[in-house]
Amino acid sequence: AQSVTQLGSHVSVSEGALVLLRCNYSSSVPPYLFWYVQYPNQGLQLLLKYTSAATLVKGINGFEAEFKKSETSFHLTKPSAHMSDAAEYFCAVSPYNDMRFGAGTRLTVKP
Amino acid sequence: SQTIHQWPATLVQPVGSPLSLECTVEGTSNPNLYWYRQAAGRGLQLLFYSVGIGQISSEVPQNLSASRPQDRQFILSSKKLLLSDSGFYLCAWGTGVAVTGELFFGEGSRLTVL
Repeated sequence: AQSVTQLGSHVSVSEGALVLLRCNYSSSVPPYLFWYVQYPNQGLQLLLKYTSAATLVKGINGFEAEFKKSETSFHLTKPSAHMSDAAEYFCAVSPYNDMRFGAGTRLTVKP
Repeated sequence: SQTIHQWPATLVQPVGSPLSLECTVEGTSNPNLYWYRQAAGRGLQLLFYSVGIGQISSEVPQNLSASRPQDRQFILSSKKLLLSDSGFYLCAWGTGVAVTGELFFGEGSRLTVL
């Protein structure tokens, strides 16, 4: 079965620092991979997705992620953190008609 | 444009009472519909999904059930709530998730069982 594992339930960075949120996937077939963001007491919204086109995927709000098959990873990065990036981030994989999420990583941005 | 509505937004219920959370989608036809539960520190757990009217796939055996009486309506129910049912419930819709890759989420329903 396809699944994702997010390493680190909490990540704290200073404003302007690099953001790196880790996600590893498990899949027997080429996966469709996604990153979602959730602000407090809201639903999730899509940041970016990988669907077997370019391995480096650019998303909204300056985020990007790189698909690395050799490492079974799909880490999310942003060169310079902003206070508004503080939220919970979910990596997800889509087997067929459903979507499976990781446990989430809460990002804190310190001034 | 497509919209998704979920209600109630907040619910406090005693143990053993029934539950009904409703979700409707507008602006699209034959969507895939999903119920997720988010418990503190446990990420999103897929509870049910539906690819059509009357078609429900259950991912986790529990005292919850789902129904899809109309194309764009998805209901989450329980006959008797447990303390462990507390959490943030999210409804979502998508069209061919594996192809388009996006689920659109409602604002969520926070359930507290006392």
